[in-house]
Amino acid sequence: DAKTTQPDSMESTEGETVHLPCSHATISGNEYIYWYRQVPLQGPEYVTHGLQQNTTNSMAFLAIASDRKSSTLILPHVSLRDAAVYHCILRALSGGSNAKLTFGKGTKLSVKS
Amino acid sequence: EAAVTQSPRNKVAVTGGKVTLSCNQTNNHNNMYWYRQDTGHGLRLIHYSYGAGSTEKGDIPDGYKASRPSQENFSLILELATPSQTSVYFCASGLNAEQFFGPGTRLTVL
Repeated sequence: DAKTTQPDSMESTEGETVHLPCSHATISGNEYIYWYRQVPLQGPEYVTHGLQQNTTNSMAFLAIASDRKSSTLILPHVSLRDAAVYHCILRALSGGSNAKLTFGKGTKLSVKS
Repeated sequence: EAAVTQSPRNKVAVTGGKVTLSCNQTNNHNNMYWYRQDTGHGLRLIHYSYGAGSTEKGDIPDGYKASRPSQENFSLILELATPSQTSVYFCASGLNAEQFFGPGTRLTVL
């Protein structure tokens, strides 16, 4: 059963800032929000993660709603290399069986030149 | 250099044959995972391991075995391969939920 909801696809143009939404209305208090991306013929790549506070790294900015029921991955100045399927995943960091990641279909981001 | 490698990268097998997919990681991570990915689907977890000597069933373990003889190596074994196991298989090693994936093995069972 899917715990996150993402749009199937989004389109953008090189240089734009892209906002990828994710809804997780039933998120538990101990669940982190992880984002991965995958380009064709390659394994998924970790992008970022957060619990409650917004986070930023060299790849993206993660904005988390104050009630934690939604989040947005923000990609500044996208390039053609950012075209990928982006997965929003919830995971509790308590070890054991929670070590696994459950991937859904994600959002396919297309980038035009 | 790549921290998670898989071999072979491509494999064609016959129905009923035995197939072994190998994964090696140099990240020194305790946790390792095997996923499969089919067209139009997300990754699905087959088996995982918490360390040498341990294997755990994931969401779709039927028809697969796993072996973790060392920290670095994690194998996926198909004792009697079937056409339904035609897929792309990804291995990953992980630190908490930050998992590092290999390049994948494309398996075709005829």
